[in-house]
Amino acid sequence: AQSVTQLGSHVSVSEGALVLLRCNYSSSVPPYLFWYVQYPNQGLQLLLKYTSAATLVKGINGFEAEFKKSETSFHLTKPSAHMSDAAEYFCAVSLGEGGSEKLVFGKGTKLTVNP
Amino acid sequence: GAGVSQSPRYKVAKRGQDVALRCDPISGHVSLFWYQQALGQGPEFLTYFQNEAQLDKSGLPSDRFFAERPEGSVSTLKIQRTQQEDSAVYLCATRKRDSYNEQFFGPGTRLTVL
Repeated sequence: AQSVTQLGSHVSVSEGALVLLRCNYSSSVPPYLFWYVQYPNQGLQLLLKYTSAATLVKGINGFEAEFKKSETSFHLTKPSAHMSDAAEYFCAVSLGEGGSEKLVFGKGTKLTVNP
Repeated sequence: GAGVSQSPRYKVAKRGQDVALRCDPISGHVSLFWYQQALGQGPEFLTYFQNEAQLDKSGLPSDRFFAERPEGSVSTLKIQRTQQEDSAVYLCATRKRDSYNEQFFGPGTRLTVL
């Protein structure tokens, strides 16, 4: 079965500082991996996805993530935090081609950006 | 519309009432998913449709939960005899064919059971 662990339910950074949100996954087959962002009272918006092409994935709003198979990790980073990045971030996994269609989510990390 | 829409956005029900939550998918998206997001948690899978066929309902927590998509477009999630533990945000997501399972989410329906 697939699972996702997000280390740290709350992360606080200063504006302009590096953002690092951690995600580790478990999957029996090569997975597809996703990062979604959720603003208050809104649905989830896709930031980026890994689908077995390049291991370094660039997404929207300056975010990127690196797939590391040996570490079963897919950490999300952004070099310089902006106040508008304050939100909740979810890592998700699904099985690759031909597998189950559902997304399995982590519990989320709430990012606070301090001025 | 351009995105997934859900209605109502907020629903308050008394314990024991039946509720129906609606999802309007993005035009042309064949796959439709329902997720339940409890307060402070990540979304959890409930059920999945491909067109009108319900291919996976393994996440439905009890037989009080029922979902349908009769014409392969609009979907309704129905909860009978609501309980307080049903209070959550219910998210609908849709996916077009051959898109590496990238799912587009609606804004959700926040259900509060008193």
